[in-house]
Formats: sequence, C-alpha cells, structure tokens
Amino acid sequence: AQTVTQSQPEMSVQEAETVTLSCTYDTSENNYYLFWYKQPPSRQMILVIRQEAYKQQNATENRFSVNFQKAAKSFSLKISDSQLGDTAMYFCAFMKTNTGNQFYFGTGTSLTVIP
Amino acid sequence: DVKVTQSSRYLVKRTGEKVFLECVQDMDHENMFWYRQDPGLGLRLIYFSYDVKMKEKGDIPEGYSVSREKKERFSLILESASTNQTSMYLCASSLDVSKNIQYFGAGTRLSVL
Repeated sequence: AQTVTQSQPEMSVQEAETVTLSCTYDTSENNYYLFWYKQPPSRQMILVIRQEAYKQQNATENRFSVNFQKAAKSFSLKISDSQLGDTAMYFCAFMKTNTGNQFYFGTGTSLTVIP
Repeated sequence: DVKVTQSSRYLVKRTGEKVFLECVQDMDHENMFWYRQDPGLGLRLIYFSYDVKMKEKGDIPEGYSVSREKKERFSLILESASTNQTSMYLCASSLDVSKNIQYFGAGTRLSVL
C-alpha cells in the first residue's frame, strides 16, 4: 500500500513571508504523480500544484512551488509572499499511473496566515 | 469550469436509516470517487467508479455501497447508518487516467444520531 505522511498538523506564517509544508511518501513505483490540494475553511478542495515523477524539474504555479526529491521520496510545498487567502488545510496526495486514478492522501496540514 | 455538485451540505439522520448521498458532475468525466474526511485521518477512499455501472472498492468500503446508473451521477448509500459514519463526505471526478486531476464537490457533513 502507498502511504503519504504530512508530519506538520498545524503551521502558521506571517503575511508576506514564506512557508514550507512537508510531505513524504512511500512507494515502490517508478512512475507516479504527486499533488498538493488546498481546502479553505468551509469551501471546496482545489488543486494547487501537480508534479509528474518522471520530470526532474520542480513544478511551479505563481507563488507556489515544490521541492521534489525522488530518491528521498519527499515532496514539499513552498508558499511565497503568503496571503490571508492562503489560510486553509493543505493535503499532499500520491497517485500511481496504473490504478485508474486512485489517490492516496496525507492527513493534512492546517496553515494559518497571520496578518 | 468543472462543476461537481453534492446534493446536500448538511444532513442529519438517525441510526439504522438508509441514507443516500448524491453527486453530479457536468464535464462528462469518466471517473468518480467518494471519500470520507475525518480530522487527523485525511481523506480515505470509500469507492470509485471508472465507468457507468462499474465500481471498485477503495480503502474503507465496509458499511457503504454505491450506484452509477448514469455517467454524470454517482451515489453513495449507507444501508443502515451508524454513529461511526458521522463524517464529512467528499465526492470527486476526473476525466481519465491521462488527465488525472481530481475535482471535488463542496462536501456533505453527515451526522448520524
């Protein structure tokens, strides 16, 4: 079975600062996808960023970037210039390429951006 | 924009009742999923479906069943609700394996008394 570990249940960051959320995973697969999803309070879960394991280049999406270390099975999310709207629960997720889209989620990190 | 709609945001049921949670997507997606979300446990997959009338068990299918009679609709059924099924239930859909982003509904918070 695949496991995804988020070791930081809660984090906080000052507005405009940078914060990094950690995620590690365990798999014997070579090809897979990794995701970060964001769930704002009482709102829908949305995709933040996606990384394909066969790509060495780290994915970026505006203020969001990842540090993907395949050998270490680590996939951290960096949020730059944090904004109040970044306050949310963040979930790391893993998907094998041959499982019909089944995701494995971590337990989440609750991020609070402090004004 | 992809829209995944769950029929109820909040639901209160009694122990032993049969409960239906409905999910509809409007983007002709092949795959649909039901998760439950509990604090400290993240999202756990209950069932998923990759085609009409097809279903696969996820990690925690016990006590649940599903129905997918039409491509756009995926129903989660609690045959006899129990208090340990009190949870947030999330529906998601995705186009196919190559387009593997999952799109989520707003969730249904179910309380079983």
